[in-house]
Amino acid sequence: RKEVEQDPGPFNVPEGATVAFNCTYSNSASQSFFWYRQDCRKEPKLLMSVYSSGNEDGRFTAQLNRASQYISLLIRDSKLSDSATYLCVVNSYSGAGSYQLTFGKGTKLSVIP
Amino acid sequence: DGGITQSPKYLFRKEGQNVTLSCEQNLNHDAMYWYRQDPGQGLRLIYYSQIVNDFQKGDIAEGYSVSREKKESFPLTVTSAQKNPTAFYLCATKLGPQPNYGYTFGSGTRLTVV
Repeated sequence: RKEVEQDPGPFNVPEGATVAFNCTYSNSASQSFFWYRQDCRKEPKLLMSVYSSGNEDGRFTAQLNRASQYISLLIRDSKLSDSATYLCVVNSYSGAGSYQLTFGKGTKLSVIP
Repeated sequence: DGGITQSPKYLFRKEGQNVTLSCEQNLNHDAMYWYRQDPGQGLRLIYYSQIVNDFQKGDIAEGYSVSREKKESFPLTVTSAQKNPTAFYLCATKLGPQPNYGYTFGSGTRLTVV
């Protein structure tokens, strides 16, 4: 079974802290990787794609280790507005020319004043 | 504004009723998807459509049906055969044709059985 596993959380951190989320995936043929953010009772929103060389977007850094089938998201200088659930998402070939996303259950982050 | 519109935002269904959730997009995206989210769970794929007049079952299609008569519209019917329909339903489109494109979601429909 193709699965995406994440730290269960919740993570409660003070403002300004650095927090790291980890994710592992079971399908070694997975093609692309994403982090989504989901606020309470809202739809998920794409935070960033994850590239093999690692990539950064402001305070957010994503890393991918294909050999270990491991993805990470680092948030520096946490803000109150970063409080949300972070979903690790993996895109894998599912046959007949189509790809499917597999979602982790998410890790809840609460940034405390 | 370009985007995905899901309606209604909240829906209450009586036992034995069929209900239809609407998903409309003006992004001109080919691929559309329906997901279900239960509390504390990851999103699970119900149905998807790569192109007009074609759709495929996802991981949990039993008790659901879809149609894709127009590129812009991908309605989901929750039938009485779905025994546990209370959930948050999300419609999505793919941002581009290649695997490295993510998805964008509508704001969802919360369905409750009463």
